[in-house]
Amino acid sequence: DAKTTQPNSMESNEEEPVHLPCNHSTISGTDYIHWYRQLPSQGPEYVIHGLTSNVNNRMASLAIAEDRKSSTLILHRATLRDAAVYYCILRDWGGAGGTSYGKLTFGQGTILTVHP
Amino acid sequence: ETGVTQSPTHLIKTRGQQVTLRCSSQSGHNTVSWYQQALGQGPQFIFQYYREEENGRGNFPPRFSGLQFPNYSSELNVNALELDDSALYLCASSLNRDQYNEQFFGPGTRLTVL
Repeated sequence: DAKTTQPNSMESNEEEPVHLPCNHSTISGTDYIHWYRQLPSQGPEYVIHGLTSNVNNRMASLAIAEDRKSSTLILHRATLRDAAVYYCILRDWGGAGGTSYGKLTFGQGTILTVHP
Repeated sequence: ETGVTQSPTHLIKTRGQQVTLRCSSQSGHNTVSWYQQALGQGPQFIFQYYREEENGRGNFPPRFSGLQFPNYSSELNVNALELDDSALYLCASSLNRDQYNEQFFGPGTRLTVL
């Protein structure tokens, strides 16, 4: 499985932008870049995903480097509710013998702390 | 639209016992994945079910088994429980098994093995 590298923790102030980096130097051409987050005492929650182009949705933006070896999740205005563990995941097929499945391979993630 | 639900919320078992955890997938979703999350770690993929068949498996021993029913709900069974099986067990459903489909997670079942 292609792996990702994220900082263990980051801090931000409320209402400021947050840029969460992720390195994935071994990414393959068909890997999608997914971001999930996990709030305390909850299951993970989908944030955003992309393949090659930058993506925006109501929660965040995803900036993907031209060589796709890194990406950045951007929270435009952090709120206290954004305090969570953020996971950068390369979504692969896995499997053998023709079986394919889109499992999520989670790493340690980045613990984001938001200060009021 | 009802989200992914899991039962029970918490469970305490002793070493050697067997346990069954249940998951109801989101309406219209035919794929269910199970994950194990130890304290302080990211979730680890156990296996995935697609249309009632196991569609892929992570690095877990055979005593971890599962089922998916015609309504796409699912069960995770763990036999011969060990202390290291203590973890949060997460179920996630998705529209399909493809790599670009969002997975919707339930709140998890906290299993404690004494």
